[in-house]
Amino acid sequence: GENVEQHPSTLSVQEGDSAVIKCTYSDSASNYFPWYKQELGKRPQLIIDIRSNVGEKKDQRIAVTLNKTAKHFSLHITETQPEDSAVYFCAASRGLRAAGNKLTFGGGTRVLVKP
Amino acid sequence: DAGVIQSPRHEVTEMGQEVTLRCKPISGHDYLFWYRQTMMRGLELLIYFNNNVPIDDSGMPEDRFSAKMPNASFSTLKIQPSEPRDSAVYFCASNGDRAATGELFFGEGSRLTVL
Repeated sequence: GENVEQHPSTLSVQEGDSAVIKCTYSDSASNYFPWYKQELGKRPQLIIDIRSNVGEKKDQRIAVTLNKTAKHFSLHITETQPEDSAVYFCAASRGLRAAGNKLTFGGGTRVLVKP
Repeated sequence: DAGVIQSPRHEVTEMGQEVTLRCKPISGHDYLFWYRQTMMRGLELLIYFNNNVPIDDSGMPEDRFSAKMPNASFSTLKIQPSEPRDSAVYFCASNGDRAATGELFFGEGSRLTVL
């Protein structure tokens, strides 16, 4: 089955700096790569996703890049703000049409933005 | 829609007792997932259903765990007998082909503590 590795496990940045989280996956058939943000005591929520026919996607201060050849994808947060402090999870799946988008999650990255 | 609804939000029980967690997916979603979250193991998929039928239960830890989905609007996850190592947050999530986005919608979670 799919295995998703995520690094680093914790990340501390100064407000205004950038944060980068990296993930690798093992299943070459995976084609959907979402990122979820989980604030303390809350549920995980989707913040951005990318499909395998796209190399990069951006939404305001967050962007995701995908390298299918190397089987890795990354989340970039620019101009970090205190409200970006949370745990971020990457995930991979074979897509909605295959098994209802069964997601395998990485281990999570705890991001702390220091004011 | 009110989103995915889980109950109870918190459950404290003693080792050996039966625990039942409940989930109501978003109306119209035909996939339902049960995840378990712990510090050590992150977000683990336990089981998922499509149109009320269990598709993959390979993540269920052992025979003490069972899950049912008697209809499209209700699912249960049961642990009998419970053990301290079952302490975790259990999330239910749903999505469906009609959503067409791949986004997994999580409930608020059920925090289980087994003493």
